[in-house]
Amino acid sequence: GAVVSQHPSWVICKSGTSVKIECRSLDFQATTMFWYRQFPKQSLMLMATSNEGSKATYEQGVEKDKFLINHASLTLSTLTVTSAHPEDSSFYICSASRPTLNTEAFFGQGTRLTVV
Amino acid sequence: AQKITQTQPGMFVQEKEAVTLDCTYDTSDQSYGLFWYKQPSSGEMIFLIYQGSYDEQNATEGRYSLNFQKARKSANLVISASQLGDSAMYFCAMREGRRSSASKIIFGSGTRLSIRP
Repeated sequence: GAVVSQHPSWVICKSGTSVKIECRSLDFQATTMFWYRQFPKQSLMLMATSNEGSKATYEQGVEKDKFLINHASLTLSTLTVTSAHPEDSSFYICSASRPTLNTEAFFGQGTRLTVV
Repeated sequence: AQKITQTQPGMFVQEKEAVTLDCTYDTSDQSYGLFWYKQPSSGEMIFLIYQGSYDEQNATEGRYSLNFQKARKSANLVISASQLGDSAMYFCAMREGRRSSASKIIFGSGTRLSIRP
């Protein structure tokens, strides 16, 4: 079964509103989680590294005020898309690895965001 | 900076044939890990196989094997006896500092594999 769960799997929101996406590690504690964005027919682009108890590390070109990341516990990271616009419509997916076994990275099911 | 290159945007293969998906990488780190993932149209990321930079043997997982040529910095995925269900997008990925789950993983551009009946 899934060891990383992401919710919701899809969401439609109006322009200007904010949307929160949750990523949970189900049977291990994840001090670090990763958030990716994927446009249709393209690869996964790393947006940011979510660090439990501290600020997220954003990749170059990713607006930290636009994509708020909170990693308040060892099993939960959230990504909030603030003041969403149609160009934010994309597939967002999170990832985490077991601290003691990093030979596999587990992914959430992904969230398809559509901003209308 | 680390980089992953997949030069085959798309491939067509006859069912039951073997197929090789190419992947080259660039890193200045001596310690790293290489991954292959399958992404069907549903969007989920399915882990296929992992190879550590210090692993002497090529990784194998069922019908999947990784042809690891360290000097050439290549990590090709070989799928034996392809099946219709293998049709999907395939991504090669790399993590530097292979023992750290806190190290980020970057992905290649992917190869879309289509299996013909």
